[in-house]
Amino acid sequence: QVQLKESGPGLVQPSQTLSLTCTVSGLSLTSNSVSWIRQPPGKGLEWMGVIWSNGGTDYNSAIKSRLSISRDTSKSQVFLKMNSLQTEDTAMYFCARNWEYFDYWGQGVMVTVSS
Amino acid sequence: DIQMTQTPSSMPASLGERVTISCRASQGISNYLNWYQQKPDGTIKPLIYYTSNLQSGVPSRFSGSGSGTDYSLTISSLEPEDFAMYYCQQYDSSPLTFGSGTKLEIK
Repeated sequence: QVQLKESGPGLVQPSQTLSLTCTVSGLSLTSNSVSWIRQPPGKGLEWMGVIWSNGGTDYNSAIKSRLSISRDTSKSQVFLKMNSLQTEDTAMYFCARNWEYFDYWGQGVMVTVSS
Repeated sequence: DIQMTQTPSSMPASLGERVTISCRASQGISNYLNWYQQKPDGTIKPLIYYTSNLQSGVPSRFSGSGSGTDYSLTISSLEPEDFAMYYCQQYDSSPLTFGSGTKLEIK
């Protein structure tokens, strides 16, 4: 069955770069897109960006200058990198299948930005 | 960006009650509207896509409707497992945006 699992550091210092990995199983990245979505504590959901099945990307304009999404199809992994982290980037980070309708979600990984 | 206004932000309700959650877009979104449920442990589950299509495995007590800028999610008879957060999401244009959420609480 389709599964997605996020991994990465739980704590990042301000101004540093966040690197997260989404490892998928039960689907091929060459025929599926994967999105990243985040949720600050006690707040709502924010779509961050997507990597499409052809390797193209689209990012939320609010964070586009700081964000990069890439993938390694041989390892079934999608990567998120976001630089210049601030405390307001503290959030649960989710990866999910698809772009328009997120039909499978990972469990999320909590990232805290703090010195 | 399209703003999604979800109401109410919280809703106390009783088991067996019929409830409706509303979602209004800042511009027409041509029925490109989905609904999700988030449980207290953070798990997110898709419920409805393209306004009114039920995700496989979702109970038939859930339904969606709407058009233009106004959409709604209805639960016909609340079960204990339905008390959770609910979010709408538009995909008419990028960036995809979510409503601020509705917390369905036990009365």
